[in-house]
Amino acid sequence: LAKTTQPISMDSYEGQEVNITCSHNNIATNDYITWYQQFPSQGPRFIIQGYKTKVTNEVASLFIPADRKSSTLSLPRVSLSDTAVYYCLAQRASGRAGSYQLTFGKGTKLSVIP
Amino acid sequence: NAGVTQTPKFQVLKTGQSMTLQCAQDMNHEYMSWYRQDPGMGLRLIHYSVGAGITDQGEVPNGYNVSRSTTEDFPLRLLSAAPSQTSVYFCASRGAVGDTQYFGPGTRLTVL
Repeated sequence: LAKTTQPISMDSYEGQEVNITCSHNNIATNDYITWYQQFPSQGPRFIIQGYKTKVTNEVASLFIPADRKSSTLSLPRVSLSDTAVYYCLAQRASGRAGSYQLTFGKGTKLSVIP
Repeated sequence: NAGVTQTPKFQVLKTGQSMTLQCAQDMNHEYMSWYRQDPGMGLRLIHYSVGAGITDQGEVPNGYNVSRSTTEDFPLRLLSAAPSQTSVYFCASRGAVGDTQYFGPGTRLTVL
């Protein structure tokens, strides 16, 4: 699976929009980009997933350019409760048993400041 | 619908002791996996299973055994605990390759 690279940490004030960029230069044709959020002392939870262009749900937006070598997670108007670690992963959309594995990097630690 | 459950939530062991971390899911998911997370680190895959009776090693399998006798349960065994296994352990499950992965609440293990 493609290796992803993202900033180690980011700070933001409450109410601001936060954009976290992830690079995945070697992403495969049948890989999705998936983002997870992890609060302290909890397991990661799914935020959003996309293949190309833009995806939006009630929590975030995901922008993926045409070349798919990077993606940007956008969190609108963050609050203190958005302080967490955010992981970007390349997830295989289909395939054999070995395609089930997900590789988590260190993620981006987002700190929201009052 | 409980999702993914893990027991115990906390455990302290002495070096050389053995124990089993329990994981169960009620979503009829074929794929289950175990991760460990050390302070300030991401999650590292220990073992995974793509169905009952089928298991395979992940990135850091040494010191751990798994089995999958049913779809619902995927226990992780530490045969002889070592201080290097002090970590938080997460179990996860997923229905299909491209589906969302659901994580349990974690087990915090300390080996003295």
